[in-house]
Amino acid sequence: DAGVIQSPRHEVTEMGQEVTLRCKPISGHNSLFWYRQTMMRGLELLIYFNNNVPIDDSGMPEDRFSAKMPNASFSTLKIQPSEPRDSAVYFCASSGGTEETQYFGPGTRLLVL
Amino acid sequence: AQKITQTQPGMFVQEKEAVTLDCTYDTSDPSYGLFWYKQPSSGEMIFLIYQGSYDQQNATEGRYSLNFQKARKSANLVISASQLGDSAMYFCAMRTNFGNEKLTFGTGTRLTIIP
Repeated sequence: DAGVIQSPRHEVTEMGQEVTLRCKPISGHNSLFWYRQTMMRGLELLIYFNNNVPIDDSGMPEDRFSAKMPNASFSTLKIQPSEPRDSAVYFCASSGGTEETQYFGPGTRLLVL
Repeated sequence: AQKITQTQPGMFVQEKEAVTLDCTYDTSDPSYGLFWYKQPSSGEMIFLIYQGSYDQQNATEGRYSLNFQKARKSANLVISASQLGDSAMYFCAMRTNFGNEKLTFGTGTRLTIIP
């Protein structure tokens, strides 16, 4: 079975550009999570969806960040405009629901110059 | 609010020895889950082991076991017979079982296995 798939794996962009990160959860999982990992703040949840509906977006830094889940097999995290402080590793994870283990994708390493 | 504390920023252990990575947690919820993830230098997050707050026995998965002491609010990871491939960052995480599924992570412990 394929795990969580993320693309791109690496992204280098210039400040002010739009960045779109993509995630395909494990088939059959109904919860999807976006986490960000930085040296300063560690791993923190940005937003999570259950059955394609956003449940907790309290971790989304500001209006420059937006996330969508148009169907059960795809989600995007968009940053517009990007800033150097957005440089981080962004992980997508999925689970089968409440009280189930979250499985992580390989992450997208974002560098904003 | 939940909090996870990992007090060991780094550890060095001789190959084949057992190692214990510390994790303490704080929550007011009666039902919760505790997780350990491994992050090797390649960057991926690998699930290792899970312990439910109502589980009567400590969880085990191969060489990994979780020393769960509920009264002390600790959930230490024990790796037996360490191998060079165990060198990585290890994160303890918690999730409550009431509504919100988000994981709260500790700051991690960097484990280095010495040959």
